[in-house]
Amino acid sequence: DSGVTQTPKHLITATGQRVTLRCSPRSGDLSVYWYQQSLDQGLQFLIQYYNGEERAKGNILERFSAQQFPDLHSELNLSSLELGDSALYFCASSEGQGLGEAFFGQGTRLTVV
Amino acid sequence: DAKTTQPTSMDCAEGRAANLPCNHSTISGNEYVYWYRQIHSQGPQYIIHGLKNNETNEMASLIITEDRKSSTLILPHATLRDTAVYYCIVRLFSGAGSYQLTFGKGTKLSVIP
Repeated sequence: DSGVTQTPKHLITATGQRVTLRCSPRSGDLSVYWYQQSLDQGLQFLIQYYNGEERAKGNILERFSAQQFPDLHSELNLSSLELGDSALYFCASSEGQGLGEAFFGQGTRLTVV
Repeated sequence: DAKTTQPTSMDCAEGRAANLPCNHSTISGNEYVYWYRQIHSQGPQYIIHGLKNNETNEMASLIITEDRKSSTLILPHATLRDTAVYYCIVRLFSGAGSYQLTFGKGTKLSVIP
């Protein structure tokens, strides 16, 4: 158990819909990262937050947004969903902004039908 | 980030040492080498990291060549539970900057009974 909790574990929704994925980082970790893993793309970095502020952006679509709340949990919002958005979405957390061990959650499997 | 090259797949007999190579010929002087693994769609798991000295922990050893252009992850006594995709990642360490892990395709290690 990494200490990072992601909910829900599975999500099935229709095209055009909007979903919210939730991540609770390990106790004491200030940084949260979101990754997308699809079969053909591998693990793609989406976005990073540190202590409530956005710190880095990767290949995140404009239809996707995220935020980190004062209690440090984070949410990833995916809207106008397309079939191609079906993927595993992972959240990771680390203690600081700098490089160190990142702990990954077990992911949310999103299926868009 | 420096690009890494890893073999697509490798086999290892159970109980033997697994040696996973990684090429990172464009690595800069202050870039660290990280290894993570992902067991069948679970969240990636940190293994080890290093800058220029060899490193060892309870999971593995990391051998970095003197010119730092390549490294080898060693699992001393592979078990069936070590079957996973192993990712070699090179990332700049910055205490105050942003941080994300850029995953490549990794090496699929199969431990054979």
